[in-house]
Amino acid sequence: DADVTQTPRNRITKTGKRIMLECSQTKGHDRMYWYRQDPGLGLRLIYYSFDVKDINKGEISDGYSVSRQAQAKFSLSLESAIPNQTALYFCATSDLRGTDTQYFGPGTRLTVL
Amino acid sequence: AQTVTQSQPEMSVQEAETVTLSCTYDTSESDYYLFWYKQPPSRQMILVIRQEAYKQQNATENRFSVNFQKAAKSFSLKISDSQLGDAAMYFCAYRRGNFGNEKLTFGTGTRLTIIP
Repeated sequence: DADVTQTPRNRITKTGKRIMLECSQTKGHDRMYWYRQDPGLGLRLIYYSFDVKDINKGEISDGYSVSRQAQAKFSLSLESAIPNQTALYFCATSDLRGTDTQYFGPGTRLTVL
Repeated sequence: AQTVTQSQPEMSVQEAETVTLSCTYDTSESDYYLFWYKQPPSRQMILVIRQEAYKQQNATENRFSVNFQKAAKSFSLKISDSQLGDAAMYFCAYRRGNFGNEKLTFGTGTRLTIIP
């Protein structure tokens, strides 16, 4: 079984709709991240969380919100989706007690029409 | 702000040959980490190799090795004996080493094609 899972894997939605992307991990890591990937731009950090009570904005947080429901779960919400939020979204985890390496989920491809 | 530059949008190599992907970065920090991630068509981001800036020895992982030139701020990836399964996008990434700063800064990627 995958250590970092994301649901859904693909989603098509309409402008103005609220949508939630979910991430779960079984690695026991305390740190979790949401990234966005656009063609030609690499990955950019949206939000990150060092533990359940710690949420931090990344470089492109506008239009997004997150919720850390438990150590193993970190959700990303688009309150009112817009077409330029069409992208590939990745969740990642890392372990404060281990190495600094971030491990990524399989990604969610989101299309906003 | 840290930046990571991959100047080769696309590369190709004959199967079994060696290829080198380039990466340069800009930072004023002395403590940091560098990574290469692979993204195959499945779109999963897979860690290939990791380098600590304080280590002079270049990291290696089987057929993958890096040439880390700290003074030049260069971090290239060499793939030896290229295989069809190596075909993917490759991303170089930087992370500052101080506690509490876990942000990865990515380059824009290099698409590697393996020619049978």
